Amino acid sequence: SQKIEQNSEALNIQEGKTATLTCNYTNYSPAYLQWYRQDPGRGPVFLLLIRENEKEKRKERLKVTFDTTLKQSLFHITASQPADSATYLCALGKDSNYQLIWGAGTKLIIKP
Amino acid sequence: KAGVTQTPRYLIKTRGQQVTLSCSPISGHRSVSWYQQTPGQGLQFLFEYFSETQRNKGNFPGRFSGRQFSNSRSEMNVSTLELGDSALYLCASSPGSGGGRSEQFFGPGTRLTVL
Repeated sequence: SQKIEQNSEALNIQEGKTATLTCNYTNYSPAYLQWYRQDPGRGPVFLLLIRENEKEKRKERLKVTFDTTLKQSLFHITASQPADSATYLCALGKDSNYQLIWGAGTKLIIKP
Repeated sequence: KAGVTQTPRYLIKTRGQQVTLSCSPISGHRSVSWYQQTPGQGLQFLFEYFSETQRNKGNFPGRFSGRQFSNSRSEMNVSTLELGDSALYLCASSPGSGGGRSEQFFGPGTRLTVL
């Protein structure tokens, strides 16, 4: 069955540095990959969507890469700030069905 | 535009009872998805509705059901509650045709506790 893996351990990063989060998947061929941010007790908030034919996408301090050969996406936050501390979720989707498959998320902690 | 709203925000029930959760999507969004989230778990897909039709259903027992109304509002129902049903239930709406190509807008969730 399909499986999505994200770093299960929290990622501690010094403020100002670049944080890099990983999303690996198996037994799945997504057409789209999405990244969300979730704060405690709240619903996820959409950040970026990247298509299978796109290698990279940027939005302000955020950058996502999508390597369908490695079956991996990397999510980068440059010039990280304590306010970026949250859990980040990746989700995969196809056109052939109407659901997203979600990773368990990586908790990011940005230390001042 | 107003965001996705969910009611109630918190619920406490006992085993064997049933519960109905409600979700109002963003105006104009016809796709509504439901998820269950438990600590340490990713979002587990329950079902997705579009224009009152269930297009996909996750691997949950038949005790979990849902529906969507003509105004795109959606409800989900859990009958014969079990302790393991304690979770955060999230509703999300999507623009356009929904599915993997569309971003999802989430509500704040309903925190269900089964005692």
